Amino acid sequence: NAGVTQTPKFQVLKTGQSMTLQCAQDMNHNSMYWYRQDPGMGLRLIYYSASEGTTDKGEVPNGYNVSRLNKREFSLRLESAAPSQTSVYFCASRVAGGGYNEQFFGPGTRLTVL
Amino acid sequence: RKEVEQDPGPFNVPEGATVAFNCTYSNSASQSFFWYRQDCRKEPKLLMSVYSSGNEDGRFTAQLNRASQYISLLIRDSKLSDSATYLCVVNRLNQGGKLIFGQGTELSVKP
Repeated sequence: NAGVTQTPKFQVLKTGQSMTLQCAQDMNHNSMYWYRQDPGMGLRLIYYSASEGTTDKGEVPNGYNVSRLNKREFSLRLESAAPSQTSVYFCASRVAGGGYNEQFFGPGTRLTVL
Repeated sequence: RKEVEQDPGPFNVPEGATVAFNCTYSNSASQSFFWYRQDCRKEPKLLMSVYSSGNEDGRFTAQLNRASQYISLLIRDSKLSDSATYLCVVNRLNQGGKLIFGQGTELSVKP
């Protein structure tokens, strides 16, 4: 099993450009998440999908959109990138259901917006 | 005020030392508590869950004080390989599994 995979690993954009970050998991997990990590801020939740067909806003959703394409894939789109979106983006997934289930993270996408 | 707060460090300790990390959370609705470990430029990985009665996993001991809304992690006999950032994480019941992360405490273990 590859676990959680993310593409691309690195990306440089100019202000105003758009791009989609891809995430896929092969663990048959129900829930998927997108976080961003900035120095001194910890990880902050952007959007999540509790199950296939549903998406909800997290703590910092402005400037982003998501698509839960199927059970395996959850993409994050920046329609018009801004320098404030320079960050490391992590995708995660969990089984979901009763109680807490560990979240498994992908390796991250390092995005720079100039 | 952040919902989960940690001392950012860095903590610089010699091999074999005992080191303790503290964490406070502000939302009393928090139900589940964890320590994640993050190596430099890598993804976070679950180190251990934190139970009300306290729990131990080898050299690592986690404690929870719900009344004070305080979580701790103790590492005994530090190894070079323990060098990483330790993230305090909380989860509220019925919140879709959403996790709230502290900013992390950096640990550097020196020979």
